[in-house]
Amino acid sequence: NAGVTQTPKFRILKIGQSMTLQCTQDMNHNYMYWYRQDPGMGLKLIYYSVGAGITDKGEVPNGYNVSRSTTEDFPLRLELAAPSQTSVYFCASIRERGGYTFGSGTRLTVV
Amino acid sequence: DQQVKQNSPSLSVQEGRISILNCDYTNSMFDYFLWYKKYPAEGPTFLISISSIKDKNEDGRFTVFLNKSAKHLSLHIVPSQPGDSAVYFCAAQRDDKIIFGKGTRLHILP
Repeated sequence: NAGVTQTPKFRILKIGQSMTLQCTQDMNHNYMYWYRQDPGMGLKLIYYSVGAGITDKGEVPNGYNVSRSTTEDFPLRLELAAPSQTSVYFCASIRERGGYTFGSGTRLTVV
Repeated sequence: DQQVKQNSPSLSVQEGRISILNCDYTNSMFDYFLWYKKYPAEGPTFLISISSIKDKNEDGRFTVFLNKSAKHLSLHIVPSQPGDSAVYFCAAQRDDKIIFGKGTRLHILP
């Protein structure tokens, strides 16, 4: 049982490049989330999804897009990378209240 | 506007003693409160939670206390062990969203 899997673990992007952060879960969870964590800051919600075909914005959605075509996958897309998007990104899923299962994170640097 | 605040960026505690991590919140509509533990280069791990209708929840060495009138919760770790050294995030949940604090780095001293 792999839980929540994120790829890649590390990435360096140039300003203006685009990329997709992948997130897959094998627990059949309906709810999935993308967070970013900046140094010294808490986790901030970017986007979330309550089921296949349904997505919604979180606290800091600007500069990102998501899709949820299947229950398992919830990719996060950066279209025009900016230095302000340098962060560690965590994907998470939850089936019922009381706690999330997090992936191990993707460390992204935009130069 | 921070809805979940952890005012201590770091805390050092002697091994074997009690660690107390504090958290304040501003929104009285939260219905769950959670604590997460994070080691470097890993994702946060769920530790313990408490419903807003309770004032205490205990799980082994970990106890969370909730004071709704003060909008304050705390995590007690007794006794503290070297493996407890990590960053601890307080979080508050309403419906399908969870809001996290900035975290407190706990150092357990030998």
